[in-house]
Amino acid sequence: NAGVTQTPKFQVLKTGQSMTLQCAQDMNHEYMSWYRQDPGMGLRLIHYSVGAGITDQGEVPNGYNVSRSTTEDFPLRLLSAAPSQTSVYFCASSPWGPLQETQYFGPGTRLLVL
Amino acid sequence: AQSVTQPDIHITVSEGASLELRCNYSYGATPYLFWYVQSPGQGLQLLLKYFSGDTLVQGIKGFEAEFKRSQSSFNLRKPSVHWSDAAEYFCAATRGSARQLTFGSGTQLTVLP
Repeated sequence: NAGVTQTPKFQVLKTGQSMTLQCAQDMNHEYMSWYRQDPGMGLRLIHYSVGAGITDQGEVPNGYNVSRSTTEDFPLRLLSAAPSQTSVYFCASSPWGPLQETQYFGPGTRLLVL
Repeated sequence: AQSVTQPDIHITVSEGASLELRCNYSYGATPYLFWYVQSPGQGLQLLLKYFSGDTLVQGIKGFEAEFKRSQSSFNLRKPSVHWSDAAEYFCAATRGSARQLTFGSGTQLTVLP
């Protein structure tokens, strides 16, 4: 098992550009989520999904879109990047959800928006 | 509002010394509680979790945590710190019906030789 993989590892964008952060898992987990990590603020949940075709907003969803067409993939889209979206992004998955289940985290994508 | 607070931003200890990292939560009812560790450049790894029962929870890498309802705390402890324990530590919580983890802001641990 590769676990949770994220691409790219690092990305630089200009304000207004769009991009997609990729996340994939090969553990057949139903629950997947995206967090952003900023200094002094810990991790904040952006969006999550409890299964293919089902997504919901987390704590900081503005400026981000997600979709879940397959169990394996959960891409995060930035439609028009802003400097405030400079952060480290983590994808995580677990069999059913954070409750009672260990979440497996990817290695992160470091995003810089100029 | 539900929140998790880690009052110590940075802690420095000498190798072999004991360690306690503080975590306080603010929830309407007792939440489910977690401690994660993040090594430099890595994702997060679960150290331990508390759902119910024995208030002293054992985790991986020699860590333990104690749940104290009266103090709304879930502090992480280790009797003897190793240099490899240098990392950032996050406390997190969720309620029984929730699908979301709420994380504290983290505590950076430095271990002196």
